[in-house]
Amino acid sequence: EAQVTQNPRYLITVTGKKLTVTCSQNMNHEYMSWYRQDPGLGLRQIYYSMNVEVTDKGDVPEGYKVSRKEKRNFPLILESPSPNQTSLYFCASSSLTGGRTEAFFGQGTRLTVV
Amino acid sequence: GDSVTQMEGPVTLSEEAFLTINCTYTATGYPSLFWYVQYPGEGLQLLLKATKADDKGSNKGFEATYRKETTSFHLEKGSVQVSDSAVYFCALYHTGGFKTIFGAGTRLFVKA
Repeated sequence: EAQVTQNPRYLITVTGKKLTVTCSQNMNHEYMSWYRQDPGLGLRQIYYSMNVEVTDKGDVPEGYKVSRKEKRNFPLILESPSPNQTSLYFCASSSLTGGRTEAFFGQGTRLTVV
Repeated sequence: GDSVTQMEGPVTLSEEAFLTINCTYTATGYPSLFWYVQYPGEGLQLLLKATKADDKGSNKGFEATYRKETTSFHLEKGSVQVSDSAVYFCALYHTGGFKTIFGAGTRLFVKA
């Protein structure tokens, strides 16, 4: 089954404690991205990657890091989380070839930073 | 830059009512347009799409037509069900930018 898997689904952490949210896709997609979803703001892109070792900032990259060492994985790293990073996070992947441009989303990670 | 504007919610309807959720966009060229749906506790999933002007996307009784002259992609359904209660996102994809841009989302409540 084609899917994007994020872990964990829920996370409560304290300010300043480094954390990583994992994302993996099994569709051999080139493009992967991270979004955060906040009430009234829709989805805002944090970082994206067009292929292995190719990453770039989205609209709200401050306080986040990513890496793309393998095509299937795209972890999101918060080196020193702060309460304003409390949000619902989604990983997504899509193909850059074949005309299929729709995004496939993970189930989401609800992060609370206290 | 490119942007998507959709009507604010929440929208509350009775079962079997007609649904319209407005969506307009700003973009250069010819982006692809999408509607995604997010059911409670889940990620977004593609509902329908249209890739060129005058195309109509349809799925599960929902329809939307790509109107270049009005830069719109309104979502419609003739008879909603309780199970359609969800958040609906309009989005555009520009090949040149390799990025999907989302509207703010519209929450739909359908009452039995």
